[in-house]
Amino acid sequence: GIQVEQSPPDLILQEGANSTLRCNFSDSVNNLQWFHQNPWGQLINLFYIPSGTKQNGRLSATTVATERYSLLYISSSQTTDSGVYFCAVDGNAGGTSYGKLTFGQGTILTVHP
Amino acid sequence: NAGVTQTPKFRILKIGQSMTLQCAQDMNHNYMYWYRQDPGMGLKLIYYSVGAGITDKGEVPNGYNVSRSTTEDFPLRLELAAPSQTSVYFCASSYASGGARETQYFGPGTRLLVL
Repeated sequence: GIQVEQSPPDLILQEGANSTLRCNFSDSVNNLQWFHQNPWGQLINLFYIPSGTKQNGRLSATTVATERYSLLYISSSQTTDSGVYFCAVDGNAGGTSYGKLTFGQGTILTVHP
Repeated sequence: NAGVTQTPKFRILKIGQSMTLQCAQDMNHNYMYWYRQDPGMGLKLIYYSVGAGITDKGEVPNGYNVSRSTTEDFPLRLELAAPSQTSVYFCASSYASGGARETQYFGPGTRLLVL
């Protein structure tokens, strides 16, 4: 099956700093989503981005499908950005994938005041 | 609308007991999924459904069963609970038509402890 690797595994920032999280995947994809899992365990949709660039406030994401990677940018980080960031892909290995997501291991982000 | 809802929020089971985790969505989504998340890990797919009456196995189906009699509901059944099933369970749903896929939305999760 498709492999998803996220880096870095851990990231510690001071409030106000910028950061870039990376997601590499091993095959072509139908779908790629970024999630934020907050300290209470809730999974929050950030982006649905199988290709191209999207922005939402201080967050933006870029997926370069031909090179099989996606980047999540967080600018002017806040303590509420702390948590785990997951990349998940719906792989397309020549057949119908039915939207089944394969998750990376996540990046644990800690933002200090 | 409420989105994806799950009950219960938390449950403790004894080894060998059975239970059903409930999931419902009110977004008229045709696709529904069950994932589990073990500590420090990403989510793994247990079962999925592409419509009422149609279900199939995901990556880690052993020890679980599902059914989908309506578009809205997708319960997950644990038979003979084992400590290895201690995890957080997430239900999700999305809409798909033809080759188009849309965002997958997740419920709040059910935390299960098997002792």
